[in-house]
Amino acid sequence: AQSVTQLDSQVPVFEEAPVELRCNYSSSVSVYLFWYVQYPNQGLQLLLKYLSGSTLVKGINGFEAEFNKSQTSFHLRKPSVHISDTAEYFCAGARAQGGSEKLVFGKGTKLTVNP
Amino acid sequence: EAGVVQSPRYKIIEKKQPVAFWCNPISGHNTLYWYRQNLGQGPELLIRYENEEAVDDSQLPKDRFSAERLKGVDSTLKIQPAELGDSAVYLCASRARSGNTIYFGEGSWLTVV
Repeated sequence: AQSVTQLDSQVPVFEEAPVELRCNYSSSVSVYLFWYVQYPNQGLQLLLKYLSGSTLVKGINGFEAEFNKSQTSFHLRKPSVHISDTAEYFCAGARAQGGSEKLVFGKGTKLTVNP
Repeated sequence: EAGVVQSPRYKIIEKKQPVAFWCNPISGHNTLYWYRQNLGQGPELLIRYENEEAVDDSQLPKDRFSAERLKGVDSTLKIQPAELGDSAVYLCASRARSGNTIYFGEGSWLTVV
């Protein structure tokens, strides 16, 4: 079975502070992992993805994530957040074999950046 | 290049009425998905098409939901009759045959009153 767990439903931070959004996955096979961002009243936008290779993945808007196979984690980080980063962030996984045919999402983490 | 296009963006209907959502995937993408996102939740897959064939519809409530992708390009998702619990965002997404990334549209926001 495959599942994705986002450990925090809400994360409030101050502007220019660092942030980490946590994601753990459960899978008996190799997985592809993704982070998507959803701004208010909008669809999902891909932030970054891990398919294979380097475990540190850099994405758009200064975000990065690290794939940790031993801890089955794929945490999202940003060293200094802006007000405009306020959004909901979704971690998602898919079986690597056969391609990312079906994404399984976590429940999301709402990031609020305060001035 | 145009992204995944969905319409309408917003729809408010009374319960028991029908509603339909339309999606045009990214050009050349043979895989099309419909996801439903309830408030405060992550998206959940309703149906996946490979070209015109529905290859995974196990999560589609077939008593009231139907979908089609007749020519393997655009797709329509229908609900008839709608229930209060159908209020959600309906997201369409697409993926290229050789790709590993699923691209999402802006979503169709349904409110059933």
